[in-house]
Amino acid sequence: DTGVSQNPRHKITKRGQNVTFRCDPISEHNRLYWYRQTLGQGPEFLTYFQNEAQLEKSRLLSDRFSAERPKGSFSTLEIQRTEQGDSAMYLCASSPKIRFGNTIYFGEGSWLTVV
Amino acid sequence: QKEVEQDPGPLSVPEGAIVSLNCTYSNSAFQYFMWYRQYSRKGPELLMYTYSSGNKEDGRFTAQVDKSSKYISLFIRDSQPSDSATYLCATQGSTNAGKSTFGDGTTLTVKP
Repeated sequence: DTGVSQNPRHKITKRGQNVTFRCDPISEHNRLYWYRQTLGQGPEFLTYFQNEAQLEKSRLLSDRFSAERPKGSFSTLEIQRTEQGDSAMYLCASSPKIRFGNTIYFGEGSWLTVV
Repeated sequence: QKEVEQDPGPLSVPEGAIVSLNCTYSNSAFQYFMWYRQYSRKGPELLMYTYSSGNKEDGRFTAQVDKSSKYISLFIRDSQPSDSATYLCATQGSTNAGKSTFGDGTTLTVKP
């Protein structure tokens, strides 16, 4: 069990550019989540997948954001036409299929700075 | 108003002190309650996970939930400098399938 892996760990981009983050969940975890965290705030839910199906999207996820999880394994989060307000840490988490409740395991996060 | 409110801190205590961290929540549908520890520039790490009201103990950590008052607490006994981190409370409803709602965290410093 190597944990949730996120790449790149840090990304600095110019406003208007597109960026993509990748998340490799813990193997055999069929649920995968994306959260966003800004300084001094707690993580905010963005979206989650069960296998390859995207089951819920937060209203925080504007049209410029898209997430995919082809084949139910790794996931990508793409931000198009980045804005300075997109600067944050993007956290990926995964969990196994559960009967009740939930324990999710976070990755180390991908820091985005939009200049 | 946020669904989960957490005492903002920061909190500074001497080594060996008992630490109390607290949150309140507003949504009665929340049934699962978690505490995460987050070191600077790292992802959150799950510390404690409880369901319904009551206490749960794990080593030096005790999580307490009072659903009647919508109050969540984490107690740390014999605090150590290595406990210095930001502590996040989080809640979840039974149908949310993993969508957790987090507080904004309390930063704790334990001084040797």
